[in-house]
Amino acid sequence: AQTVTQSQPEMSVQEAETVTLSCTYDTSENNYYLFWYKQPPSRQMILVIRQEAYKQQNATENRFSVNFQKAAKSFSLKISDSQLGDTAMYFCAFLDRKKTSGSRLTFGEGTQLTVNP
Amino acid sequence: GAVVSQHPSRVICKSGTSVKIECRSLDFQATTMFWYRQFPKQSLMLMATSNEGSKATYEQGVEKDKFLINHASLTLSTLTVTSAHPEDSSFYICSAAPGPYQETQYFGPGTRLLVL
Repeated sequence: AQTVTQSQPEMSVQEAETVTLSCTYDTSENNYYLFWYKQPPSRQMILVIRQEAYKQQNATENRFSVNFQKAAKSFSLKISDSQLGDTAMYFCAFLDRKKTSGSRLTFGEGTQLTVNP
Repeated sequence: GAVVSQHPSRVICKSGTSVKIECRSLDFQATTMFWYRQFPKQSLMLMATSNEGSKATYEQGVEKDKFLINHASLTLSTLTVTSAHPEDSSFYICSAAPGPYQETQYFGPGTRLLVL
């Protein structure tokens, strides 16, 4: 079974600064996806960024980028130029790519990020 | 982008009653839908996976007779909490995947259930 670990329950950052959220995972699979989801106070889950394991290049979406270290099974999220609207719970998630047996998302415990003005 | 709706957004019921929560994919067909449960300040826990036209697959520890899932069409899945009790109070979230590998999942806004 896959496990996802987020070792930082809470983090805070000043507006306009950069913050990095950590995530490690454990799997015996070779073909999988990794995600960062954001859950603001509204509790709507929002996809922030996605990484395919077979791609070595780190995914980037505007101010959000990841540092994917496959051998180390590490998948950190960097948020640049933090904005007040980035305040949310951030979940790291793993999905194994199995068509026949059914894929499932495994979530980490979450990191509550607060952006301070 | 793709939109998933849930209804109701919030429900309060008496202990012993049953509650039905609907999950709809509004602008795409979902081969697979997922139901999650989230307690305050905790992560999402997968309860079950439903595929259109077939029985749902429940995660270990989830009572299938307690949480009835019906995926009657490619755009609708329902979760019925039968004989609800206060410990069933939680936030229930569905997601829908348009593709066979479920690498893209769109989440509904969630349903807050309070059982008195």
